[in-house]
Amino acid sequence: DQQVKQNSPSLSVQEGRISILNCDYTNSMFDYFLWYKKYPAEGPTFLISISSIKDKNEDGRFTVFLNKSAKHLSLHIVPSQPGDSAVYFCAGGAGSYQLTFGKGTKLSVIP
Amino acid sequence: DTEVTQTPKHLVMGMTNKKSLKCEQHMGHRAMYWYKQKAKKPPELMFVYSYEKLSINESVPSRFSPECPNSSLLNLHLHALQPEDSALYLCASSRGQGLYEQYFGPGTRLTVT
Repeated sequence: DQQVKQNSPSLSVQEGRISILNCDYTNSMFDYFLWYKKYPAEGPTFLISISSIKDKNEDGRFTVFLNKSAKHLSLHIVPSQPGDSAVYFCAGGAGSYQLTFGKGTKLSVIP
Repeated sequence: DTEVTQTPKHLVMGMTNKKSLKCEQHMGHRAMYWYKQKAKKPPELMFVYSYEKLSINESVPSRFSPECPNSSLLNLHLHALQPEDSALYLCASSRGQGLYEQYFGPGTRLTVT
């Protein structure tokens, strides 16, 4: 059972435009969500997080939105830059140490 | 300093070999993790150490043996691995109890021949 789903395996966006990466979850016990970015041959890099008591968290060009009723979160990158091209993983956690990751979305930002 | 280091970067080993992966962090984090990641898959949790004690073992085969000698170091001892164990092994750390951001190392690319 996939508790965290990233249904788009890939996404292409023009440089300067908005990138929107989506994530759905099924576990209502999740109370914390994180986004990670991963380049090939490197470990995931923490990007931004959101607690379930919030519906939005912003950090520079990155904003995460959480819709608890829909069990959906999204990561917005504005403006998108070629250096943002990577695989983005969404992860959910439920008060233990354990994070459950989605399968990732490969973002390609076209110059 | 948000760096987690892992050595070696690449490792090729035979099925009868014994080898170890090493992970180090100097952020004062008290929780450390081993993950396994296969190509085009998300990271899968293997072990969690909290305050140098093993707190979670995700039913990992005994040919993988973790060790936490101190709060900065985490090892993964490998013995009698199978070719299907070939993967990227990631170490991560976080501040401690509760859900804090986990910081990942670059990983060790392991190939079992």
